[in-house]
This record gives sequence, C-alpha cells and structure tokens, in this order.
Amino acid sequence: EIQLMESGGGLIQPGGSLRLSCEASGFTFKNYAMNWVRQAPGKGLEWVSGIAGNGVSKYYADSVKGRFNISRDNSKNMLYLQMNTLRAEDTAVYYCAKALCITIFGVSNCGLDSWGQGTLVTVSS
Amino acid sequence: QSVLTQPPSVSGAPGQRVTISCTGSSSNIGTDYDVHWYHQLPGTAPKLLMYGNINRPSGVPDRFSGSKSGTSASLAITGLQAEDEGDYYCQSYDKSLRDFVFGGGTKLTVL
Repeated sequence: EIQLMESGGGLIQPGGSLRLSCEASGFTFKNYAMNWVRQAPGKGLEWVSGIAGNGVSKYYADSVKGRFNISRDNSKNMLYLQMNTLRAEDTAVYYCAKALCITIFGVSNCGLDSWGQGTLVTVSS
Repeated sequence: QSVLTQPPSVSGAPGQRVTISCTGSSSNIGTDYDVHWYHQLPGTAPKLLMYGNINRPSGVPDRFSGSKSGTSASLAITGLQAEDEGDYYCQSYDKSLRDFVFGGGTKLTVL
C-alpha cells in the first residue's frame, strides 16, 4: 500500500522559514516524480513544485520561485520543501503527491495518484 | 482566477446524471495536454478520479466518465449517489506558464 506522510507544518511569522517533509512508502520512490500541492483555507488546489525521480530536474510555480526549494533523498524515501521568506498568502495545507507514471528524468503531466494527508502551514504574526 | 474554468457548483437528485465542465485554452487543454480529475471530501486529501482524459483508476466505478474536445474537458457522473458529494477539480499542464494547473473546483451537491 502506497503511503505518503507529511510533517513540518506549523505557525510561522512572515519572513520566516520552514521545511516540510514527506515520507513515502509502498512503491519504488526513485522511479517517480513527486510534487507539492497546496490549498489555502476555503480555496482550491494550487500546484507548488515538482521534482523528477532522480532529483535533478525541479520545477516551481511563479508564486514561489526563488523562495521555495524542493529536494528529495531517494536513499531515505523522503521528499522535502524548504520554504523561505514566507508570506501570509503562503498559508495553506500542503500536500505531497506522487506522479501516476514512471518519471525518472522529468515531471510528466500524467496525474497525481497518491496524496498525503497534508500539513498545515500558517504564516501570521 | 484559475487558468482552467469550472462551474462553482452543480447539483442533482440521486440517480440522476450530472456533468462538470473544465474550460481551458490553446495553451493547455487545446494543445492536447491530458486532463485529470480529482474528488475531494471536506477535510481530506484529493483523490485521483480520472486520468489521461478518459481513464479510471482501479476502484473508481464506471458511473464516472471523462471526455475531452478542443479546449474543454468534461466529467460525467451517472446514477448519482450521496457519496459523490464533494469538490471536483480538473488539472492539466499549461505550456505558457510551464506549470501544472488546476481548475477552481466544482462543489457537487446531491439533493
């Protein structure tokens, strides 16, 4: 059974930093691109960032480019999102999500077939 | 303002058929990028409902079907059941933004 479990959320002041983690199990982690998708309170889904299975290619939404950094440790089956210079508009539940298809070298638009339960990030003074 | 446009809400009685539209542009759906659909219940993570426009993951009943034409896609639900309530999101890729994009979501109410 595929499982994804996020952690690291919490209350942080504007301008602060936070690192989210996502522990994966139940599949060959290194073979699949992973993504972060967020959902502000009462709002829709927003793709934040994606990383290829081999960890080389990384992609970001314009709203977080230059502030967030996605990474992964395939030896530990872990996905990370380092969030810097946080703003109030970054307040959201952050989900990690696995690509449906094998995506070792890129991030393909094939759908996100497994999601974690989410971790809440609140940016407020 | 979402790149993909969905109706904010749809409703139907049990047993009826409803459709949810997802309208994009030549920069995303119209460029033949696949559309995927997700279902989300309150307080829970989204669940993949349809991928590659027309394909159902295992476990998704055949009451759900997807289609795509031109710059739009649709999700149809027949034999509506109470458990189908929730929010539905379409998702694709936009070549101008070079991002994955979601629709704004549609809230389905079973009357």
